[in-house]
Amino acid sequence: EAGVAQSPRYKIIEKRQSVAFWCNPISGHATLYWYQQILGQGPKLLIQFQNNGVVDDSQLPKDRFSAERLKGVDSTLKIQPAKLEDSAVYLCASSPGTVEAFFGQGTRLTVV
Amino acid sequence: AQTVTQSQPEMSVQEAETVTLSCTYDTSESNYYLFWYKQPPSRQMILVIRQEAYKQQNATENRFSVNFQKAAKSFSLKISDSQLGDTAMYFCAFMKPYMGNQFYFGTGTSLTVIP
Repeated sequence: EAGVAQSPRYKIIEKRQSVAFWCNPISGHATLYWYQQILGQGPKLLIQFQNNGVVDDSQLPKDRFSAERLKGVDSTLKIQPAKLEDSAVYLCASSPGTVEAFFGQGTRLTVV
Repeated sequence: AQTVTQSQPEMSVQEAETVTLSCTYDTSESNYYLFWYKQPPSRQMILVIRQEAYKQQNATENRFSVNFQKAAKSFSLKISDSQLGDTAMYFCAFMKPYMGNQFYFGTGTSLTVIP
């Protein structure tokens, strides 16, 4: 079974630029999560999808972050414009609706 | 709100020895799950072990076991016969199953296994 795929693995951008991350969950998993992991901290939930609907986006900074999950499969997370404090690892995870979640390898974003 | 606390930022252990990582949490819920995840340098979070709060018996997975103290809200991970491949960040996580299955993570413990 293929795991959760994320791209790119690394991205370096200047502040005020925009960036997008892509996630392809495990086939058949209805639930998809985006987490932000700042260096030295644990992952923090940004947004959760159930199929193509948003379950929780209360921690998503909506003035600069956006996310979508078209057709309930792949998802993209966008930051526009980026700030220095957005430097982090962005983890995508998916779940078949059980208590298990499967994580991708993340995208390490550096904003300079 | 749920909080998860890991008070040991870094730990080290000799190869083949035993090490215990600590975790405490705060919740008013009675039904929940607790997890230990391992994050190696590859950054992928890998499930190590899971504990259901309604089960009194401590979970075990090969060399990994937990000491779950529900009243004390404590959930420690014991790694026996430590191996070099155990070197990684370890995150304790809490999950309420009926609230979208969202995870709340601690700040992690960096474990180094010394040959």
